[in-house]
Amino acid sequence: DTGVSQDPRHKITKRGQNVTFRCDPISEHNRLYWYRQTLGQGPEFLTYFQNEAQLEKSRLLSDRFSAERPKGSFSTLEIQRTEQGDSAMYLCASSFGLMNTEAFFGQGTRLTVV
Amino acid sequence: SQQGEEDPQALSIQEGENATMNCSYKTSINNLQWYRQNSGRGLVHLILIRSNEREKHSGRLRVTLDTSKKSSSLLITASRAADTASYFCATIQETSGSRLTFGEGTQLTVNP
Repeated sequence: DTGVSQDPRHKITKRGQNVTFRCDPISEHNRLYWYRQTLGQGPEFLTYFQNEAQLEKSRLLSDRFSAERPKGSFSTLEIQRTEQGDSAMYLCASSFGLMNTEAFFGQGTRLTVV
Repeated sequence: SQQGEEDPQALSIQEGENATMNCSYKTSINNLQWYRQNSGRGLVHLILIRSNEREKHSGRLRVTLDTSKKSSSLLITASRAADTASYFCATIQETSGSRLTFGEGTQLTVNP
């Protein structure tokens, strides 16, 4: 098992374009999380899935953001009509079981909107 | 919104010295976790302490938790240059399901 994998590692896009990121969690993990992190800040929660169900979504997440986890395996995060303020590192994490377990993070996708 | 606040924001020490980082949080928690992040990389889990625990050790790491003061500390003993990284505390709040809420982090620099 190679851990949590995110693709692509870097993405540069023009303002107004749509982008999609993929996360492959550790195979037996039932929970999957998306976070956003800007320079010098801690990760900020976006959304989380338990299996294929999206159980929580941050109120900070605008309607331009959507996430899916079909079949409870990999997940995609799509940002529509990107804005310069969307530039950040997007981190995916997965965990197994109940709440008192550690989360395993991927290396992140760095998005730059120009 | 961020739950935790780390103190100090930045810490610079010499190799071999101990490093202490503090974290305060606002609401009741199920557990508190510490993560490490090297520049531009993902986060690596270091240690988890449950709300009914007061102290935990893992190798050169020692974590304390004071739920009455809503605070935690991370001590790294005999620091090495390879410990240079950002360190974040993260909490799972009683009311937030399994969402991890992170603080702003402490940037630790260990000089050789």
